[in-house]
Amino acid sequence: AQSVAQPEDQVNVAEGNPLTVKCTYSVSGNPYLFWYVQYPNRGLQFLLKYITGDNLVKGSYGFEAEFNKSQTSFHLKKPSALVSDSALYFCAVRDRGDRDDKIIFGKGTRLHILP
Amino acid sequence: DGGITQSPKYLFRKEGQNVTLSCEQNLNHDAMYWYRQDPGQGLRLIYYSQIVNDFQKGDIAEGYSVSREKKESFPLTVTSAQKNPTAFYLCASSIVPGGPGDEQFFGPGTRLTVL
Repeated sequence: AQSVAQPEDQVNVAEGNPLTVKCTYSVSGNPYLFWYVQYPNRGLQFLLKYITGDNLVKGSYGFEAEFNKSQTSFHLKKPSALVSDSALYFCAVRDRGDRDDKIIFGKGTRLHILP
Repeated sequence: DGGITQSPKYLFRKEGQNVTLSCEQNLNHDAMYWYRQDPGQGLRLIYYSQIVNDFQKGDIAEGYSVSREKKESFPLTVTSAQKNPTAFYLCASSIVPGGPGDEQFFGPGTRLTVL
């Protein structure tokens, strides 16, 4: 069965500093990986995804993520944090070999950018 | 504008009452999903549908029911059998069931409170 873990409930970063939000996954086959962001009382917004190819994926709002197969990780990064990046971030995984169209979401990491 | 709409945004219900949450999409997506979000637990899949007139149970289907009579619509009924229905409910859709790495698009959510 597939699973995804976000080991940090909360991450605090000073504005202008680089940020990293961690994600590790477990699938029986090869993964599709996603990052979403959620602002208060809103739905989730898609940030980026890894399907195949280049391990470094670039997405919306200056975010990027690096797929590391040996470490089964897909950490979200941004070189310089903005206060407006403060939100709840979800990592998600889908097993390519899974016939069911199900994506498994992590529990989320709350990102606080301190001015 | 294309997108997913959910109504109402806030919903209050007395114990013992059934209530139906609306989800409509004009993205021409085949697959639709319902998630429940509770603090600290991430998103949990309630039901999903890959095609009209067909749907499957997710991880926490007990106490919920759905229908998929039209491609655009996927209403969720929270029945009196759901023991703890107070939560934030999110509807999502994706282009093609089982498509390679298709991300899900989310509605703005409905916050249900049982009084």
